[in-house]
Amino acid sequence: SYELTQPPSVSVSPRQTATITCSGDKLGNNYASWYQQRPGQSPVLVIYQDTKRPSGIPERFSGSSSGNTATLTISGTQAMDEADYYCQAWDSSTSHVVFGGGTKLTVL
Amino acid sequence: QLQLQESGPGLVKPSETLSLTCTVSGGTISTSTYFWGWIRQPAGKGLEWIGSMSYGGSTYYDPSLKSRVTVSVDTSKNQFSLKVNSVTAADTAVYYCTRQRDGSGNYCDYWGQGTLVTVSS
Repeated sequence: SYELTQPPSVSVSPRQTATITCSGDKLGNNYASWYQQRPGQSPVLVIYQDTKRPSGIPERFSGSSSGNTATLTISGTQAMDEADYYCQAWDSSTSHVVFGGGTKLTVL
Repeated sequence: QLQLQESGPGLVKPSETLSLTCTVSGGTISTSTYFWGWIRQPAGKGLEWIGSMSYGGSTYYDPSLKSRVTVSVDTSKNQFSLKVNSVTAADTAVYYCTRQRDGSGNYCDYWGQGTLVTVSS
């Protein structure tokens, strides 16, 4: 089955840049999306179609994709960005949604 | 502003059927641009896709749940539903209903607030 792999945790200092990766052998042919989930809250879409940012999402959130790896970058990280982040893709060969295991971002 | 709201029992007995409904407000469910789906999250764990349904009636399910799950849409009520048969403790989770873009990565742009379902006798 199709899998997306994320690092379990990433730490960053305030105002620095956080990078979270998502790897999967079909990502080169499928868009990646990213979600932020703060404790006790529903996930929020922060990046879709690899690089697009929904209305209302701060510009410090950006996405990129190269080969089989998608990357979420948070520039000038703030304490409020501390959350779990999940990547997601659509496996077009099976018509299934696939999530990565999630990355806990800690702002030290 | 589109809103999704889950409703249903918070406690289900083992071997019985879990039934949840998602009511969509602020927009119509009758659109070919989107799927309507369900995602769950066991306590302390990651997101698990359950299944989705398109406006045209096509359904897509996670292979590990496919034999026990049904997603359906009621356009007259602007609602969609989830049924999971023969539940066990492993089905205990927060269940989210979502709007899922058809194509372009099938991302979920709207989520309900989530509802906790506990499977216990």
